[in-house]
Amino acid sequence: EAQVTQNPRYLITVTGKKLTVTCSQNMNHEYMSWYRQDPGLGLRQIYYSMNVEVTDKGDVPEGYKVSRKEKRNFPLILESPSPNQTSLYFCASSSQTGNQPQHFGDGTRLSIL
Amino acid sequence: AQTVTQSQPEMSVQEAETVTLSCTYDTSESNYYLFWYKQPPSRQMILVIRQEAYKQQNATENRFSVNFQKAAKSFSLKISDSQLGDTAMYFCAFMKERENAGNMLTFGGGTRLMVKP
Repeated sequence: EAQVTQNPRYLITVTGKKLTVTCSQNMNHEYMSWYRQDPGLGLRQIYYSMNVEVTDKGDVPEGYKVSRKEKRNFPLILESPSPNQTSLYFCASSSQTGNQPQHFGDGTRLSIL
Repeated sequence: AQTVTQSQPEMSVQEAETVTLSCTYDTSESNYYLFWYKQPPSRQMILVIRQEAYKQQNATENRFSVNFQKAAKSFSLKISDSQLGDTAMYFCAFMKERENAGNMLTFGGGTRLMVKP
């Protein structure tokens, strides 16, 4: 089954404690991205990657890091989380050809205390 | 930069009735794609319908159809014969058509739709 898998689905942690949210896709997609969803703001892109070892900033990259060492994985790293990063996070992937719509993971609810 | 605006934060409709969700966008691009995504309480993001800007014909998918007005930069979603399972947050989204630009989506703030029995 084609899917984008995020882990964990829920996480409560404290300010300053480094965390990683994993994202994996099994569709051999070149393009992967991370979004955060906040009430009234919709989803905003954090970072994206157009292929292995190619990443770039989206609209709200501050406080986040990503890496793309393998095509299937695109982890989101919060080196020193702060309460304003409390949000619902989505990973998405798509093929680069034909402007295909993105497939989304099921979301990760992060709470930073 | 593109912006997408959904002016209705919340809407409700009676089961079996028709409802229209509004979306406007601002862009200087001539070629682009527009989408409606549904997010039920399960939080999944489900693609409902897609429209290519170069197509004049409005897209339809079963009970879902759009009214795409390119000159007015408007992209509304009509849901006919509303069902209880249509209760969800609906997001309008914009994507540029540009080679190697990445497939970044710009989303509106969402409309929460409640279908009442």
